[in-house]
Amino acid sequence: GEDVEQSLFLSVREGDSSVINCTYTDSSSTYLYWYKQEPGAGLQLLTYIFSNMDMKQDQRLTVLLNKKDKHLSLRIADTQTGDSAIYFCAEPERGSTLGRLYFGRGTQLTVWP
Amino acid sequence: DTAVSQTPKYLVTQMGNDKSIKCEQNLGHDTMYWYKQDSKKFLKIMFSYNNKELIINETVPNRFSPKSPDKAHLNLHINSLELGDSAVYFCASSRTKNNSPLHFGNGTRLTVT
Repeated sequence: GEDVEQSLFLSVREGDSSVINCTYTDSSSTYLYWYKQEPGAGLQLLTYIFSNMDMKQDQRLTVLLNKKDKHLSLRIADTQTGDSAIYFCAEPERGSTLGRLYFGRGTQLTVWP
Repeated sequence: DTAVSQTPKYLVTQMGNDKSIKCEQNLGHDTMYWYKQDSKKFLKIMFSYNNKELIINETVPNRFSPKSPDKAHLNLHINSLELGDSAVYFCASSRTKNNSPLHFGNGTRLTVT
């Protein structure tokens, strides 16, 4: 299966920016996703980017896509303690129409007050 | 107004028992999934149903048997539970359209003692 890589931990101070990085494998992926998992909860779709875009901004969230390097990043501006969670990058299975997503192992973001 | 709901939220049982987890979605989606999240937060797909038809069946022990009575419901029955089955099981749903994002339930934490 696809191999989605993320660093496991990130700690930031409240008010700073957070940048969570991800590398993926399939250069033909049409969409790439970021999910957020709070403790004891399911995965919540945070944002996604279409492969013909380099950047997508949604309030405090900025997604950057570098297709050449197969690198995806999620920037959270003015990080708050409520942003503490695990963030998963996900890409669809190569060539699949079945909806199978491959997830990275998740980045645990800890925000210190 | 919960979109994807799973029951129970917690399930503690002994080895050798048989248990079921239920999932329902009210999003009008055609495709439903079961994902397993291990203790290291790694997410792996187990099964997927599209309009009640099994379309993804990963290498999962045949003690695990999904059942979809209609496209809004997908249940998971597990026979002869083993210690290694302890995990969080997530139900998800999506539209059939290519690369539609998955919407997840809040998970069922299964503990086998």
